[in-house]
Amino acid sequence: EIVLTQSPATLSVSPGERATLSCRASQSVSTNLGWYQQKPGQAPRLLIYGASTRATGIPARFSGSGSETEFTLTISSLQSEDFAVYYCQSYDNWPQPPMYTFGQGTRLEIK
Amino acid sequence: EVQLLESGGGLVQPGGSLRLSCAASGFTFINYAMTWVRQAPGKGPEWVSAVSGSGDATYYADSAKGRFTISRDNSKNALYLQMNGLRAEDTAVYYCAKESSNARTFDHWGPGTLVTVSS
Repeated sequence: EIVLTQSPATLSVSPGERATLSCRASQSVSTNLGWYQQKPGQAPRLLIYGASTRATGIPARFSGSGSETEFTLTISSLQSEDFAVYYCQSYDNWPQPPMYTFGQGTRLEIK
Repeated sequence: EVQLLESGGGLVQPGGSLRLSCAASGFTFINYAMTWVRQAPGKGPEWVSAVSGSGDATYYADSAKGRFTISRDNSKNALYLQMNGLRAEDTAVYYCAKESSNARTFDHWGPGTLVTVSS
């Protein structure tokens, strides 16, 4: 079973600055990793899939990188609407059957 | 526009049953696998179950195996989750989600329906 560990648990950043969030997998997931943003009372929103591809309608200030076990979500210049909780999610189908795992989340708060 | 809307949540006693439904629109339903994800209060999301586009293949998290059954009716663009033997730890908001084209992530989610298991 894959375990995703996100760090830090809470990140305090000022608007306009860069935020870097980390997600580490307990074993390789290749690039089968996505990032989601969740605001209070809302469903998660897909930001990044395939570790580095922005989902439809996601601003260019969001970027993802990494492979195997180490992944990063970078928000280049924080806007007020970006303060939220962020989750990474992996996919694994070895051994069968397919499994999807979420990290415990990083809360991005205004400094 | 893709729309997903869950229903069927509520308060149920431990050991009870509940059937969740998800109405889908705005995309060719049969072409996409669908999934249920839940989120307990104050916790991160947890994948529960998935079903292939045709409905022939189903997958479950260990926490759902033997108690939950996922199904779909492609003629009605509907997804279901039959939950039996409910426990307090099943208390959560349950989301239905559409799998993205690369079948590795979830690109559209419903607003969720709350299931509370308590006596």
